[in-house]
Amino acid sequence: NAGVTQTPKFQVLKTGQSMTLQCAQDMNHEYMSWYRQDPGMGLRLIHYSVGAGITDQGEVPNGYNVSRSTTEDFPLRLLSAAPSQTSVYFCASSYSRTVPGNTIYFGEGSWLTVV
Amino acid sequence: ILNVEQSPQSLHVQEGDSTNFTCSFPSSNFYALHWYRWETAKSPEALFVMTLNGDEKKKGRISATLNTKEGYSYLYIKGSQPEDSATYLCAGSNTGNQFYFGTGTSLTVIP
Repeated sequence: NAGVTQTPKFQVLKTGQSMTLQCAQDMNHEYMSWYRQDPGMGLRLIHYSVGAGITDQGEVPNGYNVSRSTTEDFPLRLLSAAPSQTSVYFCASSYSRTVPGNTIYFGEGSWLTVV
Repeated sequence: ILNVEQSPQSLHVQEGDSTNFTCSFPSSNFYALHWYRWETAKSPEALFVMTLNGDEKKKGRISATLNTKEGYSYLYIKGSQPEDSATYLCAGSNTGNQFYFGTGTSLTVIP
C-alpha cells in the first residue's frame, strides 16, 4: 500500500534555486495539502486543494506555488529558495472535506536545507 | 487561522505512570479535531478523529475526550510504556478545508 508518497526525502538547495517537491497519493483522495514543520512551530499549512483544478492558500503560502492537474498529484514548487524555507515538508491527503470524520494521511516528509 | 494550543509542551513520566495532555481550540464553528502520534523521522500517525461534543474514543491504552462547547480535548495514556515516547499533535478545523496544528506535546517515558 503506497498511501502518500513524497520525493525527494532529502534535498540541499542554494539560495535562489528553484525546485519541486513531488507528492502522489493512490487512495483517490479529493483533499491534499502541504505543511511545513519548524522547531517550536508545529505543522503549518502552506497550500491545499479540495480537488483537481482547485487550489487555495493556507497559513504560510509565500514563496510557494502548487497545482493540481490530477487527483493523484499535488507538487509543491519553491520559486526562489531562501534560507527561511529550510524546513521539513509534509504532504497530506484525505478522502473528502465534506465528511468531518475523515482521517488525514501523511507522507514521510521531505527534509529541505537552503544554504 | 484557528488558534490551537497544546499543553504541556513536554512531559517526562516513569514507565507505568498514567498521563494526560490538553488540546484547546476556539469553540465557535467547530468542525473536527484530530489527534496524531508523531515519531521523529516518521510521518504523523492518526490516533483519533473526533467530531461530536462528548465524544470519547479509545485505542488500547490511549483514549481521548472532546468538549466542543468549552473548546478542549484531553488525550490520556494509561500505564505509559517506553514505546509511547513520541510527540502527540492535535489539529482543529472549523471548515474542513484547513486543519491547524498545535505545537505538540513531547512525551518521554523513562524505563
